[in-house]
Amino acid sequence: EAQVTQNPRYLITVTGKKLTVTCSQNMNHEYMSWYRQDPGLGLRQIYYSMNVEVTDKGDVPEGYKVSRKEKRNFPLILESPSPNQTSLYFCASGTRRETQYFGPGTRLLVL
Amino acid sequence: KQEVTQIPAALSVPEGENLVLNCSFTDSAIYNLQWFRQDPGKGLTSLLLIQSSQREQTSGRLNASLDKSSGRSTLYIAASQPGDSATYLCAVEAAGNKLTFGGGTRVLVKP
Repeated sequence: EAQVTQNPRYLITVTGKKLTVTCSQNMNHEYMSWYRQDPGLGLRQIYYSMNVEVTDKGDVPEGYKVSRKEKRNFPLILESPSPNQTSLYFCASGTRRETQYFGPGTRLLVL
Repeated sequence: KQEVTQIPAALSVPEGENLVLNCSFTDSAIYNLQWFRQDPGKGLTSLLLIQSSQREQTSGRLNASLDKSSGRSTLYIAASQPGDSATYLCAVEAAGNKLTFGGGTRVLVKP
């Protein structure tokens, strides 16, 4: 089954404790991206990757890192999480200018 | 900067009525426009993708139109059912390799 998977689905952590949210897709897509969704602000792009070893900032990259060492994986790293990073995070993959497929989301609470 | 607006923010209709959801965008230089469905606490499911050269796309009871020059798209859902209750999001893809999302329309179809 073609899908985008994210782990963990739910995470509660404390300020400053490094965490990684994994994203994996099995559709051989070159393009992957991360979004966060917040009430009243909608979905905003954090980072995207056009291919392996190629990443770029989206609209709200501050406080996040990403890496793209393999085509199928695109982890999101929060080196020192803060409460304002409490959000619902989505990973997406696709072919450029074609349908984007979204993962199920990761709900993060930073205390 | 591209801005995407969806009005109304919420809509309630009786079962069987046709749904009309609106999406407007400020910059007509887009590659495509995509409609998504989001159920509470869940990820986004792609419904329809309209390329910038197309005027409309259809899938079952769903029909989406695109008028790039006026910066508008409309999603029609025929003969609505309670299972259509969800939030519907539109997003445009433009230069910069990202999707810019509208705020969504929350739809409730009453039995």
